[in-house]
Formats: sequence, structure tokens, C-alpha cells
Amino acid sequence: ETGVTQTPRHLVMGMTNKKSLKCEQHLGHNAMYWYKQSAKKPLELMFVYSLEERVENNSVPSRFSPECPNSSHLFLHLHTLQPEDSALYLCASSQAPQGNYGYTFGSGTRLTVV
Amino acid sequence: DQQVKQNSPSLSVQEGRISILNCDYTNSMFDYFLWYKKYPAEGPTFLISISSIKDKNEDGRFTVFLNKSAKHLSLHIVPSQPGDSAVYFCAASATGTASKLTFGTGTRLQVTL
Repeated sequence: ETGVTQTPRHLVMGMTNKKSLKCEQHLGHNAMYWYKQSAKKPLELMFVYSLEERVENNSVPSRFSPECPNSSHLFLHLHTLQPEDSALYLCASSQAPQGNYGYTFGSGTRLTVV
Repeated sequence: DQQVKQNSPSLSVQEGRISILNCDYTNSMFDYFLWYKKYPAEGPTFLISISSIKDKNEDGRFTVFLNKSAKHLSLHIVPSQPGDSAVYFCAASATGTASKLTFGTGTRLQVTL
């Protein structure tokens, strides 16, 4: 399999649940990212991992917890989310320093918090 | 404070005509700009980019223009095709920011027959 793969594609969870989003890249990139896309808002950067180390946490609430066990995998652990956290969560990877092609994105996980 | 702005949420263009999508930025440290295209239920895909040392970059039907003094860039698609119907995101980055991209809100392009 090639590119950036995200699972699951859709997720519905209650506010007391704990779930995880998974991202896997097969491009040999050394940086991975989590972005949040809400309606009528820009894509919001959540976390940046470069060489498996978190280099940026963009003031994201602690109910979102990232994990990067190796350069090919990235997780986003979710717990006690709020309805306003419902959004499309996009994973991306790149070869840092950034080349001429920017990021390669996955298809995203559509999260609904009920 | 939104550093990358796409003020037109939607645009409708007839097939064969030119589509012009606009983007403004406020951060003078940005030195690399990209356009992404997004279809429903898919992630954004890279379309074209431009470095701040250039004012134009062309790739087939797609051309990006950069006006640094106005902090403005635009994407021209000519001729427009129905398959171009998608949401287009403008993005920018600054050297030394851990490859971080800052995105605009997107413009939905509809190419009609």
C-alpha cells in the first residue's frame, strides 16, 4: 500500500468514550502531522512530529493525545471529547525540510461526538 | 488572527473559461506558497507551489502568480474542466518553522457545463 492511510474513515463516539485514530505512511517521510478541519475554518495544525519527536503542540486540549511510535505511524488518542470536537481529522506526512511538494495527506477520519 | 485568507468561499465558472482563485497573506515571513485541491471524502492533494524568489510558476493548465508587495497570490486554471470542481486551499510556510503549513479556509470551485 502506498501514500498515507488513515483509519477509521468514520467514527462516532460518546463523550465518555476513549478511541484512537491511526495514521500510517509508506513514503519514507520523516515528519508527520495532525490537522483538524471544521466547517468554514482553515485547516488547523494540531501536532507536528519530526523524526519521531513532537516538535509542536498547537495549544491543543489535553483530551487529544498524540503518539508517534516510529516514523511510519502516528496515533491520536481521544478521551472525554466534546461535541465541538466533531470534525474531519487529517494526517499528513512530509520530508523535512519541506520539499517542493509540501505534505501528502490521508483521506481523513470524520469524527462525530455525540 | 488568520494569516492566510481566501475571501471567496465559492466560485462558479463555465467549462473552457478561466478560473481565478485568490489568496492573501499577512505574515511577511512566509516564503513558500502552495495550492491544494480537495475532493469530498478525500484528503487534500498537492497541486502547485511557488517560492518567494519567483513571481510565476506554471504547470500545464495551472499557473500560480505571486505578488509579494501586495502579499497576494492567485491560481489560474485555464481552460477549466468539470473535473476541476473541488475545494482549493491556499497554504504558506516560512523557512525554519519545522515545515509547518498555514492554510486558508478554502474556495469551492464549481465548473459548469
